[in-house]
Amino acid sequence: KQEVTQIPAALSVPEGENLVLNCSFTDSAIYNLQWFRQDPGKGLTSLLLIQSSQREQTSGRLNASLDKSSGRSTLYIAASQPGDSATYLCAVSGNTPLVFGKGTRLSVIA
Amino acid sequence: ETGVTQTPRHLVMGMTNKKSLKCEQHLGHNAMYWYKQSAKKPLELMFVYSLEERVENNSVPSRFSPECPNSSHLFLHLHTLQPEDSALYLCASSQMGGATGELFFGEGSRLTVL
Repeated sequence: KQEVTQIPAALSVPEGENLVLNCSFTDSAIYNLQWFRQDPGKGLTSLLLIQSSQREQTSGRLNASLDKSSGRSTLYIAASQPGDSATYLCAVSGNTPLVFGKGTRLSVIA
Repeated sequence: ETGVTQTPRHLVMGMTNKKSLKCEQHLGHNAMYWYKQSAKKPLELMFVYSLEERVENNSVPSRFSPECPNSSHLFLHLHTLQPEDSALYLCASSQMGGATGELFFGEGSRLTVL
């Protein structure tokens, strides 16, 4: 059974810092990995999707990497801003639909 | 309208009430999902519909009853709920068999059971 773990559970950084969020999964037989952002009381917004054949994807200040063999993904956020404050969720798709981690709650302090 | 739309956004119901959550997707996708999000727990998949056929039911209690009349609409009928069913219910859609399988979510329906 696929399990997804996200570390740390919460993170607080000053504005302008570069930061890395981590995601690990137990079954490397995945189709893709998706990173989402969730603001309090809201739905999930898709940030980046990495296919199993890809190593990384970039969108603006965000870069996500995937190492399928070690069961790890990282989300790199450059030059963080207070508007980046949210919960970031990692999810993997394999033989079953998306399995989610519990998320990392990020606070960027101005 | 674009994307995935859920109504109502907030719902308060008693344990003996019957209510329904509605989801509509305007993305031309062929698969729709219900997820439950409770505090301090990962999102839990409840139901998956592909081409209007239910393909997965993750051992969800029968007090939750899904309905998918066509590829654009998904309902979750609720009856005789328990207080522990209070949660954010999220609907999502994707194109199964498509290039990416990317999932798109609605804003959610916040359910409180008294």
